[in-house]
Amino acid sequence: DGGITQSPKYLFRKEGQNVTLSCEQNLNHDAMYWYRQDPGQGLRLIYYSQIVNDFQKGDIAEGYSVSREKKESFPLTVTSAQKNPTAFYLCASSQQQGTAFFGQGTRLTVV
Amino acid sequence: DAKTTQPPSMDCAEGRAANLPCNHSTISGNEYVYWYRQIHSQGPQYIIHGLKNNETNEMASLIITEDRKSSTLILPHATLRDTAVYYCIVRAPNAGGTSYGKLTFGQGTILTVHP
Repeated sequence: DGGITQSPKYLFRKEGQNVTLSCEQNLNHDAMYWYRQDPGQGLRLIYYSQIVNDFQKGDIAEGYSVSREKKESFPLTVTSAQKNPTAFYLCASSQQQGTAFFGQGTRLTVV
Repeated sequence: DAKTTQPPSMDCAEGRAANLPCNHSTISGNEYVYWYRQIHSQGPQYIIHGLKNNETNEMASLIITEDRKSSTLILPHATLRDTAVYYCIVRAPNAGGTSYGKLTFGQGTILTVHP
């Protein structure tokens, strides 16, 4: 079954801890994206990657890090430097100028 | 990046057509107009996209004005399951000039379909 898988669906983290959100796609897409969504708000771009071993900062990259060692995977690490990490995180992928498809999201809560 | 402007909310009666407008007056010649929708606590779902011609698929129709400064998404027979936030997006080329484009989301339109 092709698509984008984000895991886990819900994640809890203690303040001061780093946490990594998983995003895997089997669509053979070159480009992958991470977005953050806060309640009642639109999506804001954190990082995106156009190809393996390359990625660029989006609009709100501070406190986040990514890697793109494999085409299928684009994990996002929320570091302790992120001042307000509680949010809904969405991963997407696309093929060049093609349509972007989204995962079902991970809801991160800092406790 | 071209910005989009959408009304914050709209209502529609079940079975009637829902017409969702979007202004993108600063759109560039090579930018596509995309529409997505998001049901609460789910990832956005792709609906349709177009460059300058009108487009139709099994979900919706997209009407783009001749000057490309605005567009309308039409859901021909809205159902209660169409209640969602609808996002109009223009896809920008990246800074390096390649064909990969960031998707920049605005606030969207909350469409409520009522019985």
